[in-house]
Amino acid sequence: GQNIDQPTEMTATEGAIVQINCTYQTSGFNGLFWYQQHAGEAPTFLSYNVLDGLEEKGRFSSFLSRSKGYSYLLLKELQMKDSASYLCAGMDSNYQLIWGAGTKLIIKP
Amino acid sequence: GAGVSQSPSNKVTEKGKDVELRCDPISGHTALYWYRQSLGQGLEFLIYFQGNSAPDKSGLPSDRFSAERTGGSVSTLTIQRTQQEDSAVYLCASSLAVSLPSTDTQYFGPGTRLTVL
Repeated sequence: GQNIDQPTEMTATEGAIVQINCTYQTSGFNGLFWYQQHAGEAPTFLSYNVLDGLEEKGRFSSFLSRSKGYSYLLLKELQMKDSASYLCAGMDSNYQLIWGAGTKLIIKP
Repeated sequence: GAGVSQSPSNKVTEKGKDVELRCDPISGHTALYWYRQSLGQGLEFLIYFQGNSAPDKSGLPSDRFSAERTGGSVSTLTIQRTQQEDSAVYLCASSLAVSLPSTDTQYFGPGTRLTVL
């Protein structure tokens, strides 16, 4: 079956760095997406990886290892506004997104 | 429009009633997706449209659920004889997806929160 695993909740301190891990099992693979979802709001796109390696975009970076079925989202210089759920989604061979349940990130001052 | 819009934002209904949810995608986006998100859960894929056709209806939970899209734009998701387990946030997303399959980014609407009493 297809599955996306990510931690349910993480806590970090303002100004610090946090890494949110995601492992995936999909039927075929057409890339890995990360979305941010603030409470009560719709998900918003953060990143897309389809090749191995690190993609950096400002304070956020996303990494992919296809051989390990593994990705992480790295958030640097954490701000209070980064408190949100972070959703990992793998795209299968039918170009359908398989979604994880999300990681709730709590930022403390 | 500037973004994906959905209406209503909130819908409270009684068990057994029918409800209709509307999604207005970003202008020019050919692909439209419907998802369901229960509290604290990930997104559950329901159906997607390429233009007015829905190649994949496998995600619809039961035959009480149906969706249509007209004019390649607005889509409606209809739930007949609602049940309490239908209570969730229903999210719509659209992507440019000139042709499918596509890895184009999906842009989400604000969702409709459905509560079935």
